[in-house]
Amino acid sequence: IAGITQAPTSQILAAGRRMTLRCTQDMRHNAMYWYRQDLGLGLRLIHYSNTAGTTGKGEVPDGYSVSRANTDDFPLTLASAVPSQTSVYFCASRNQPTTYNEQFFGPGTRLTVL
Amino acid sequence: AQSVTQPDIHITVSEGASLELRCNYSYGATPYLFWYVQSPGQGLQLLLKYFSGDTLVQGIKGFEAEFKRSQSSFNLRKPSVHWSDAAEYFCAVGGVKSGYSTLTFGKGTMLLVSP
Repeated sequence: IAGITQAPTSQILAAGRRMTLRCTQDMRHNAMYWYRQDLGLGLRLIHYSNTAGTTGKGEVPDGYSVSRANTDDFPLTLASAVPSQTSVYFCASRNQPTTYNEQFFGPGTRLTVL
Repeated sequence: AQSVTQPDIHITVSEGASLELRCNYSYGATPYLFWYVQSPGQGLQLLLKYFSGDTLVQGIKGFEAEFKRSQSSFNLRKPSVHWSDAAEYFCAVGGVKSGYSTLTFGKGTMLLVSP
């Protein structure tokens, strides 16, 4: 089934630990995105990638890093997790080149940092 | 800077009644507008989008939205709500910022459906 998969579904993590959230899409979309969703704040962009081999910072990039080694995968890493990174994380992809193409979202990863 | 305002945090509608969710946007050029729905514990699903042409757009699940440039609005409507429509709804404006395509989301409106 075409779409975006994210792993893990949920995770409880001790502060200071390193964590990688995985995202894989099989739609051959060029662009991929990571958002965090927090109550009352909506979705905020963390990092993006317009194409394999390139990445960029979004609205709230501090404490997070990404890589895009190939078209399908876009992992998000928390090098040293802090409680303020407790959130639901969504990966999304978009088929460029047109600006008006919608983004497709994965099911999300619920992360709790204690 | 682009922004989206959804003035209603929560809305309760009786099953079978009509629905209108409000969305106002701010964007300097022609906006690309989207409505997404999020059911509990799920990701976001696209309901409909507008980028040009007819200002009344039809989406999935019987939803429609009307783009009004003069009011900077893109309100979502449904003539008869079903209990399964209970979810959170997000309006978003698309554009380009600093070299990447963006989606700026509103903070969402939670729809509750009463029997």
